[in-house]
Amino acid sequence: DSGVTQTPKHLITATGQRVTLRCSPRSGDLSVYWYQQSLDQGLQFLIQYYNGEERAKGNILERFSAQQFPDLHSELNLSSLELGDSALYFCASSVFASSSGANVLTFGAGSRLTVL
Amino acid sequence: GENVEQHPSTLSVQEGDSAVIKCTYSDSASNYFPWYKQELGKRPQLIIDIRSNVGEKKDQRIAVTLNKTAKHFSLHITETQPEDSAVYFCAASTGPGGGADGLTFGKGTHLIIQP
Repeated sequence: DSGVTQTPKHLITATGQRVTLRCSPRSGDLSVYWYQQSLDQGLQFLIQYYNGEERAKGNILERFSAQQFPDLHSELNLSSLELGDSALYFCASSVFASSSGANVLTFGAGSRLTVL
Repeated sequence: GENVEQHPSTLSVQEGDSAVIKCTYSDSASNYFPWYKQELGKRPQLIIDIRSNVGEKKDQRIAVTLNKTAKHFSLHITETQPEDSAVYFCAASTGPGGGADGLTFGKGTHLIIQP
């Protein structure tokens, strides 16, 4: 267990709908990262928050938005869903690892979104 | 921005043999290079990483080598076992001080260990 909690685990919805994915980082971790993993597309960075503020933005569509709340949990909102949005969405927080000498990404179990 | 290319996309080896996965990166400012293993239906997990001031790092059967001049790095797995079967992702970071910020991932290598 990585300590990063994501809900829901699975979600099936229809095109045009809107969904919200939720993430709670490890206790005390201030950063939250969102990644999208589509078939054959690897891990695409979407967005990062640090202590409530947006810190970096990657390949996030305008139909998608995110926020981090004062209790540090984060939500990723996906709207006007298309078939191509079907993917695994991972949340991660960063943990300092002495063996690495760096903050390393620790992923949650992911939320699998299926758009029909 | 950074671009990370990973090869091969699929690698099949006999149990007990060695496996090598290679990655190249484009941004010479990248300073941290982790490798993640993702088993089917599971989350990616860090297995080894290397910083730009080090040329090689080993952890039991796993090693990573880095060639900064050529901008490529490789994962080596020796004495492969069935539990090594998974998808492996390389990544490069241009974040300040290296680490989780600014990570760009390769597209993954599906490693299959044949009994």
